[in-house]
Amino acid sequence: NAGVMQNPRHLVRRRGQEARLRCSPMKGHSHVYWYRQLPEEGLKFMVYLQKENIIDESGMPKERFSAEFPKEGPSILRIQQVVRGDSAAYFCASSRTDLNTEAFFGQGTRLTVV
Amino acid sequence: SQQGEEDPQALSIQEGENATMNCSYKTSINNLQWYRQNSGRGLVHLILIRSNEREKHSGRLRVTLDTSKKSSSLLITASRAADTASYFCATATGTASKLTFGTGTRLQVTL
Repeated sequence: NAGVMQNPRHLVRRRGQEARLRCSPMKGHSHVYWYRQLPEEGLKFMVYLQKENIIDESGMPKERFSAEFPKEGPSILRIQQVVRGDSAAYFCASSRTDLNTEAFFGQGTRLTVV
Repeated sequence: SQQGEEDPQALSIQEGENATMNCSYKTSINNLQWYRQNSGRGLVHLILIRSNEREKHSGRLRVTLDTSKKSSSLLITASRAADTASYFCATATGTASKLTFGTGTRLQVTL
């Protein structure tokens, strides 16, 4: 039973390019969460999705960031026109139902903007 | 401000000793979850403790929850070098739509 799968593990983008981060939840999990972690800091919530629905995007910057979780395929976190401040580790988590159950995290995607 | 604040920020002990980390939070919770993160890696789920529970065990881990003090502790007994990592508490509140993480405790276990 594979865990939460994120790819790519490392992503380098030049300023102004787009970054696409993918997350496949654990089998049987229909709830997906995205978090961002800056060096030496804790994780900051970005967005919570269920299949085809955004449930809570209160932590998502209003511009340049978007997320989706289509009926088929992985969840995608998309960052348009990246800037150096977007450099961080982005983690995806999934849970079977909401967070009244355990959430399991992927290995993360480390985005570097040069 | 952080919902969860871990204390201490850093802890260095010798192999075989016990390590205790504390977490305080501000609002009522549904549950509190502890995670471990090795340097540069993802988070590993350790234990979930619900608001109506006071203590849970898993192997060498023991978690307590005191809702009256809004605090939790994680005890690792007979620590090993492989326990070296950062440990985070995270709380789920209200609609349980997100976990709010603290800043973590960095544990160093030396031989």
